[in-house]
Amino acid sequence: DIVMTQSPESLAVSLGERATINCKSSQSVLYSSNNKNYLTWYQQKPGQPPKLLIYSASTRESGVPDRFSGSGSGTDFTLTISSLQAEDVAVYYCQQYYSTPITFGQGTRLEIK
Amino acid sequence: EVQLVESGGGLVQSGGSLRLSCAASGFTFSTYWMHWVRQVPGKGLVWVSRIDTDGSDTSYADSVKGRFTISRDNAKNTLYLQMTSLRAEDTAVYYCARAYCTHALCFTSVYDYWGQGTLVTVSS
Repeated sequence: DIVMTQSPESLAVSLGERATINCKSSQSVLYSSNNKNYLTWYQQKPGQPPKLLIYSASTRESGVPDRFSGSGSGTDFTLTISSLQAEDVAVYYCQQYYSTPITFGQGTRLEIK
Repeated sequence: EVQLVESGGGLVQSGGSLRLSCAASGFTFSTYWMHWVRQVPGKGLVWVSRIDTDGSDTSYADSVKGRFTISRDNAKNTLYLQMTSLRAEDTAVYYCARAYCTHALCFTSVYDYWGQGTLVTVSS
């Protein structure tokens, strides 16, 4: 199984500042035949199901604000929120879909400082 | 509007069984892969199972293999999860989730829509 490890576990950032969340996979999730990273990011707010933010490591889902961006390749990935807004308070998860079983990171809780 | 509505959760004794349902609407259900993902309240997301469009290909997490069965009825636009030999560690909110697929791009295991979840509590 591919183990996904996120850091930090929790993060407090001031409004308008940058937030950075890291995700590391225990093996590469880069699919060589198409050069795509099989990595997604989700946002989960209290009492709600997760919401898809980014797929293929760096492609923003339609309707997701452009302050959210994803980067990285192979085994190391980053979700960046360029200017934190109050509505971004949530838990963020990375997920690999390179192989079954599908696995998620343990989550990073993002709060306002 | 895409909607996924889970039902069937509840309180069951260890060793018991439950069948979860996920009623889909607002899209052509028969053309999408579907998954079950669970979450212990306050904890992280754990993939449980997935099924292809016609039900011929299924896959399970090791923790539920042999105990849970995923299925679908495309005529009824409904996804199921039959859970048997339930254990205390199966206690969680169970979400059904749709795999992302547009005219340009499809993934079997990226989730663009989720239901609100149904809580399963297994008492020991």
